[in-house]
Amino acid sequence: DAGVIQSPRHEVTEMGQEVTLRCKPISGHNSLFWYRQTMMRGLELLIYFNNNVPIDDSGMPEDRFSAKMPNASFSTLKIQPSEPRDSAVYFCASSLQGADAMDTQYFGPGTRLTVL
Amino acid sequence: AQSVTQLDSHVSVSEGTPVLLRCNYSSSYSPSLFWYVQHPNKGLQLLLKYTSAATLVKGINGFEAEFKKSETSFHLTKPSAHMSDAAEYFCVVSDRGGYNKLIFGAGTRLAVHP
Repeated sequence: DAGVIQSPRHEVTEMGQEVTLRCKPISGHNSLFWYRQTMMRGLELLIYFNNNVPIDDSGMPEDRFSAKMPNASFSTLKIQPSEPRDSAVYFCASSLQGADAMDTQYFGPGTRLTVL
Repeated sequence: AQSVTQLDSHVSVSEGTPVLLRCNYSSSYSPSLFWYVQHPNKGLQLLLKYTSAATLVKGINGFEAEFKKSETSFHLTKPSAHMSDAAEYFCVVSDRGGYNKLIFGAGTRLAVHP
Protein backbone atom coordinates (compact mmCIF):
# COMPACT_ATOMS: atom_id res chain seq x y z
CA ASP A 1 0.00 0.00 0.00
CA ALA A 2 1.61 3.26 -1.12
CA GLY A 3 -0.33 5.41 1.31
CA VAL A 4 -1.53 8.89 0.49
CA ILE A 5 0.68 10.51 -2.13
CA GLN A 6 1.17 14.26 -2.36
CA SER A 7 3.08 16.33 -4.86
CA PRO A 8 5.12 18.37 -4.92
CA ARG A 9 6.76 17.89 -1.53
CA HIS A 10 8.15 21.41 -1.61
CA GLU A 11 7.00 24.43 -3.56
CA VAL A 12 8.53 27.87 -3.60
CA THR A 13 6.74 30.53 -5.57
CA GLU A 14 6.38 34.26 -5.81
CA MET A 15 3.44 36.27 -4.63
CA GLY A 16 0.70 36.44 -7.24
CA GLN A 17 1.54 33.13 -8.87
CA GLU A 18 -0.86 30.23 -9.13
CA VAL A 19 -0.05 27.18 -7.03
CA THR A 20 -1.52 23.70 -7.51
CA LEU A 21 -1.09 20.98 -4.93
CA ARG A 22 -1.94 17.40 -5.79
CA CYS A 23 -3.13 14.40 -3.83
CA LYS A 24 -3.72 10.74 -4.58
CA PRO A 25 -5.71 9.07 -1.80
CA ILE A 26 -5.39 5.46 -0.74
CA SER A 27 -7.13 3.19 -3.23
CA GLY A 28 -10.63 2.31 -2.11
CA HIS A 29 -11.01 5.24 0.26
CA ASN A 30 -14.11 7.33 -0.32
CA SER A 31 -13.29 10.41 1.74
CA LEU A 32 -10.59 12.98 1.26
CA PHE A 33 -9.54 15.88 3.45
CA TRP A 34 -7.24 18.86 2.87
CA TYR A 35 -5.57 20.42 5.93
CA ARG A 36 -3.25 23.35 6.45
CA GLN A 37 -0.65 23.49 9.22
CA THR A 38 0.91 26.72 10.43
CA MET A 39 2.74 27.71 13.58
CA MET A 40 0.11 30.27 14.45
CA ARG A 41 -3.06 28.28 13.79
CA GLY A 42 -1.97 24.66 14.06
CA LEU A 43 -3.81 22.09 11.92
CA GLU A 44 -6.95 23.32 10.21
CA LEU A 45 -9.37 21.45 8.00
CA LEU A 46 -9.81 23.26 4.70
CA ILE A 47 -12.22 21.02 2.81
CA TYR A 48 -13.76 17.55 2.95
CA PHE A 49 -14.87 15.42 -0.01
CA ASN A 50 -17.04 12.32 0.18
CA ASN A 51 -17.41 10.21 -2.96
CA ASN A 52 -15.75 13.04 -4.91
CA VAL A 53 -18.32 15.61 -3.78
CA PRO A 54 -17.32 18.56 -1.60
CA ILE A 55 -19.28 18.24 1.65
CA ASP A 56 -17.71 20.85 3.89
CA ASP A 57 -15.63 23.73 2.53
CA SER A 58 -16.20 26.04 5.47
CA GLY A 59 -12.50 26.00 6.26
CA MET A 60 -11.40 27.36 2.90
CA PRO A 61 -9.90 30.75 3.77
CA GLU A 62 -11.15 32.78 0.85
CA ASP A 63 -12.00 32.72 -2.80
CA ARG A 64 -8.37 32.47 -3.77
CA PHE A 65 -8.51 28.85 -2.63
CA SER A 66 -10.29 26.17 -4.62
CA ALA A 67 -10.29 22.38 -4.53
CA LYS A 68 -11.45 19.73 -6.93
CA MET A 69 -11.81 15.99 -6.94
CA PRO A 70 -12.51 14.90 -10.52
CA ASN A 71 -12.32 11.20 -9.65
CA ALA A 72 -11.78 8.88 -6.73
CA SER A 73 -8.02 8.78 -7.16
CA PHE A 74 -7.07 12.43 -7.55
CA SER A 75 -7.62 15.80 -5.93
CA THR A 76 -6.12 19.25 -6.32
CA LEU A 77 -5.92 22.29 -4.11
CA LYS A 78 -5.30 25.49 -6.01
CA ILE A 79 -4.33 28.93 -4.74
CA GLN A 80 -4.68 31.81 -7.18
CA PRO A 81 -3.19 34.31 -6.64
CA SER A 82 -0.87 33.15 -3.88
CA GLU A 83 0.17 35.43 -1.00
CA PRO A 84 3.00 35.16 1.54
CA ARG A 85 0.49 34.38 4.31
CA ASP A 86 -0.43 31.19 2.45
CA SER A 87 2.98 29.77 3.35
CA ALA A 88 2.29 26.58 5.31
CA VAL A 89 2.39 22.82 5.11
CA TYR A 90 -0.63 21.42 3.33
CA PHE A 91 -1.70 17.88 4.14
CA CYS A 92 -4.05 15.58 2.35
CA ALA A 93 -5.72 12.72 4.21
CA SER A 94 -8.07 9.95 3.16
CA SER A 95 -10.33 7.49 4.90
CA LEU A 96 -12.93 4.85 4.24
CA GLN A 97 -15.96 6.59 5.59
CA GLY A 98 -18.77 4.50 6.91
CA ALA A 99 -21.35 5.02 9.58
CA ASP A 100 -18.61 4.90 12.19
CA ALA A 101 -17.31 8.35 12.98
CA MET A 102 -14.09 6.80 14.24
CA ASP A 103 -12.89 5.93 10.75
CA THR A 104 -9.17 6.53 10.71
CA GLN A 105 -7.77 9.27 8.51
CA TYR A 106 -4.45 8.49 6.85
CA PHE A 107 -2.23 11.45 6.13
CA GLY A 108 0.14 12.12 3.29
CA PRO A 109 3.65 13.52 3.83
CA GLY A 110 2.50 17.07 3.11
CA THR A 111 3.53 19.84 0.73
CA ARG A 112 5.59 22.64 2.21
CA LEU A 113 4.59 25.84 0.41
CA THR A 114 6.65 28.99 0.61
CA VAL A 115 5.30 32.13 -1.04
CA LEU A 116 7.89 34.90 -1.37
CA ALA B 1 -18.85 21.76 20.37
CA GLN B 2 -15.90 19.43 20.57
CA SER B 3 -12.45 20.64 21.58
CA VAL B 4 -9.20 19.34 23.00
CA THR B 5 -6.63 20.98 25.22
CA GLN B 6 -3.10 19.67 25.38
CA LEU B 7 -1.81 20.85 28.70
CA ASP B 8 1.89 20.99 27.82
CA SER B 9 3.38 22.52 24.69
CA HIS B 10 6.78 20.96 25.41
CA VAL B 11 7.80 17.88 27.40
CA SER B 12 11.39 16.80 27.92
CA VAL B 13 12.39 13.39 29.27
CA SER B 14 15.49 11.28 29.51
CA GLU B 15 15.80 8.11 27.49
CA GLY B 16 14.45 5.16 29.44
CA THR B 17 12.14 7.23 31.67
CA PRO B 18 8.34 7.33 31.46
CA VAL B 19 6.46 9.64 29.13
CA LEU B 20 3.21 11.41 30.01
CA LEU B 21 1.50 13.72 27.53
CA ARG B 22 -1.70 15.23 28.87
CA CYS B 23 -4.93 15.86 27.01
CA ASN B 24 -8.34 17.04 28.14
CA TYR B 25 -11.35 17.05 25.88
CA SER B 26 -14.73 18.67 25.70
CA SER B 27 -17.51 16.93 23.84
CA SER B 28 -21.27 17.07 23.62
CA TYR B 29 -21.34 13.46 22.54
CA SER B 30 -19.62 10.30 23.63
CA PRO B 31 -16.29 11.25 22.10
CA SER B 32 -14.04 9.54 19.62
CA LEU B 33 -10.46 10.28 20.56
CA PHE B 34 -7.15 9.78 18.80
CA TRP B 35 -3.46 10.42 19.28
CA TYR B 36 -1.39 11.18 16.19
CA VAL B 37 2.39 11.62 16.01
CA GLN B 38 4.31 13.82 13.59
CA HIS B 39 8.04 13.32 13.17
CA PRO B 40 10.03 16.23 11.73
CA ASN B 41 9.14 16.94 8.11
CA LYS B 42 6.78 13.99 8.01
CA GLY B 43 3.04 13.47 7.82
CA LEU B 44 0.85 12.48 10.74
CA GLN B 45 0.72 8.87 11.84
CA LEU B 46 -2.03 7.36 13.97
CA LEU B 47 -0.74 6.10 17.32
CA LEU B 48 -4.01 4.89 18.78
CA LYS B 49 -7.73 5.54 18.93
CA TYR B 50 -10.43 5.20 21.55
CA THR B 51 -13.19 2.92 20.31
CA SER B 52 -15.32 2.84 23.48
CA ALA B 53 -14.73 -0.90 23.80
CA ALA B 54 -12.07 -0.45 26.47
CA THR B 55 -10.92 2.55 28.43
CA LEU B 56 -7.24 1.58 28.19
CA VAL B 57 -6.14 1.74 24.60
CA LYS B 58 -2.89 0.29 23.36
CA GLY B 59 -1.19 1.75 20.34
CA ILE B 60 1.94 1.35 18.32
CA ASN B 61 5.51 1.69 19.60
CA GLY B 62 4.55 0.92 23.19
CA PHE B 63 2.24 3.88 23.68
CA GLU B 64 -1.09 3.65 25.43
CA ALA B 65 -3.81 6.03 26.57
CA GLU B 66 -6.54 5.82 29.15
CA PHE B 67 -9.97 7.32 28.63
CA LYS B 68 -11.31 8.80 31.87
CA LYS B 69 -14.79 10.16 31.44
CA SER B 70 -14.99 11.56 34.97
CA GLU B 71 -11.88 13.64 34.32
CA THR B 72 -12.56 14.25 30.61
CA SER B 73 -8.99 13.18 29.98
CA PHE B 74 -7.17 11.02 27.46
CA HIS B 75 -3.53 11.13 28.51
CA LEU B 76 -0.84 9.38 26.47
CA THR B 77 1.82 7.34 28.25
CA LYS B 78 4.80 5.16 27.54
CA PRO B 79 6.79 3.32 30.23
CA SER B 80 10.20 3.95 28.74
CA ALA B 81 11.10 6.68 26.26
CA HIS B 82 13.30 6.00 23.27
CA MET B 83 15.27 8.56 21.31
CA SER B 84 13.09 7.81 18.28
CA ASP B 85 10.01 8.99 20.19
CA ALA B 86 11.10 12.61 19.83
CA ALA B 87 8.31 14.18 17.78
CA GLU B 88 5.17 16.28 18.01
CA TYR B 89 2.08 14.58 19.38
CA PHE B 90 -1.49 15.65 18.69
CA CYS B 91 -4.56 14.76 20.70
CA VAL B 92 -7.61 14.73 18.46
CA VAL B 93 -11.36 14.52 18.99
CA SER B 94 -13.80 13.53 16.30
CA ASP B 95 -17.08 15.29 15.71
CA ARG B 96 -19.37 12.29 15.99
CA GLY B 97 -22.34 14.51 15.34
CA GLY B 98 -21.02 15.07 11.88
CA TYR B 99 -18.83 13.29 9.42
CA ASN B 100 -15.73 12.49 11.43
CA LYS B 101 -14.36 15.99 11.31
CA LEU B 102 -11.17 15.94 13.35
CA ILE B 103 -10.48 18.68 15.87
CA PHE B 104 -6.77 18.86 16.67
CA GLY B 105 -5.09 20.00 19.84
CA ALA B 106 -2.23 22.45 19.61
CA GLY B 107 0.33 19.68 19.93
CA THR B 108 2.99 18.68 22.45
CA ARG B 109 6.60 18.56 21.37
CA LEU B 110 8.41 15.69 23.06
CA ALA B 111 12.17 15.89 23.44
CA VAL B 112 14.13 12.82 24.54
CA HIS B 113 17.62 13.29 25.95
CA PRO B 114 20.32 10.64 26.22
